[in-house]
Formats: sequence, C-alpha cells, structure tokens
Amino acid sequence: QKEVEQNSGPLSVPEGAIASLNCTYSDRVSQSFFWYRQYSGKSPELIMSIYSNGDKEDGRFTAQLNKASQYVSLLIRDSQPSDSATYLCAVNARNTGKLIFGQGTTLQVKP
Amino acid sequence: DAMVIQNPRYQVTQFGKPVTLSCSQTLNHNVMYWYQQKSSQAPKLLFHYYDKDFNNEADTPDNFQSRRPNTSFCFLDIRSPGLGDAAMYLCATSSTGEFEQYFGPGTRLTVT
Repeated sequence: QKEVEQNSGPLSVPEGAIASLNCTYSDRVSQSFFWYRQYSGKSPELIMSIYSNGDKEDGRFTAQLNKASQYVSLLIRDSQPSDSATYLCAVNARNTGKLIFGQGTTLQVKP
Repeated sequence: DAMVIQNPRYQVTQFGKPVTLSCSQTLNHNVMYWYQQKSSQAPKLLFHYYDKDFNNEADTPDNFQSRRPNTSFCFLDIRSPGLGDAAMYLCATSSTGEFEQYFGPGTRLTVT
C-alpha cells in the first residue's frame, strides 16, 4: 500500500463545474496535509494546507479532512480552464519536516 | 517579494561531467530541501538541511552531494551524471515547526 494515494486521472470537468480531488494516506500519526498545484513543466505551488478535521475554504478552493477515514480532498468550485494542472496531495511524515507526496491527479477543465 | 530562487533554470551537461545546481532564498527559512522529479512522478526527496545539519535519504545515490554554506544558499552537486539523472530538480524551504514547504521554480537537467 502506498503511503499517499491519489487517482492519477485525468479528471475531466466542464468549465464552471465543481472538481473533486481525493487522497488517502496510510499513517494515522500524520497531522498536516497539503495540496499543491503543478502546471506542466513548472514547480509545485502550495494552494491549501489543513490540519484539523472538517472543511477549510479559501476562495474557490475547499480542503476537507477526515482523520478517522484517513482521507483528504480538495474541491474546486467554478472550475476554470486555468485550473487545468496536476494536483499533488502531500502528507507530513510522522510529524517530521518531510512531506510524502502522492502521484498527483491531472485535472482537465474543458471550456 | 520573499522567494526561493534556483539557477540555472535549464542545465545541459554531458554524461559523467560534474554539475552544480544552486538554490537561494529570501524567506529566512532554516530548513532547505532538494527533490528530484521525473516526468509524471511525485517529487522524490534527496536530502534536507535543518540549519547546518545535513540529512540524507537512505536511497539517495552517493553521486548526489549537497552543500549549505549559509542560511540563504544551498547547492546540489551531481558528481558524475548519468542519463537516468535527467530530471527536474526542485529546491524547497520551510521553517522549523511549520510544515508548509515552498518550492523554487526548479532546474531542468538534461544529460547528453
């Protein structure tokens, strides 16, 4: 079992729809969770961090965390073609400074 | 603006010819990381520094070395690049107690 798992996609949604990206993790000790956006050929950009169960909203982005189910998700409302990218889920490894990344989910937003 | 800077953005080297990639930061973060990312793969941590303390990952090849002469700068040395070392090399920083990592733009390494 991989430590952090994501569906590689591609996930295709029409412009204006809600995109839902999911991630599961194996280490119950993990306390910090991150979503990075990576455009093709570019470096990862931090877009959301979440530390507590529940929802955290920032503009069109909502991160959801359920530690009991070891599940973290990212919702993107009103998806735009500019949201087309690979979204990496990252989990803090045993509360060290190191991050464990999932393989990423490729999102395609079609005009 | 505070940021993480990597130079060069693109580097072409010959098989076996040593190469050095650099990273600098104005965030005043005490932790610096080097990752290798190949196409369609997750970033792979090579090593990191807590201040001057070097932490190597167990599976990082000896061919990869690093130096951190001061808080702001960190270097990645590849002593004898092979074709399999062609990748994007990413530098990231964070502060102790804060787990968010901020990435530089990366250096795309090509080995011919």
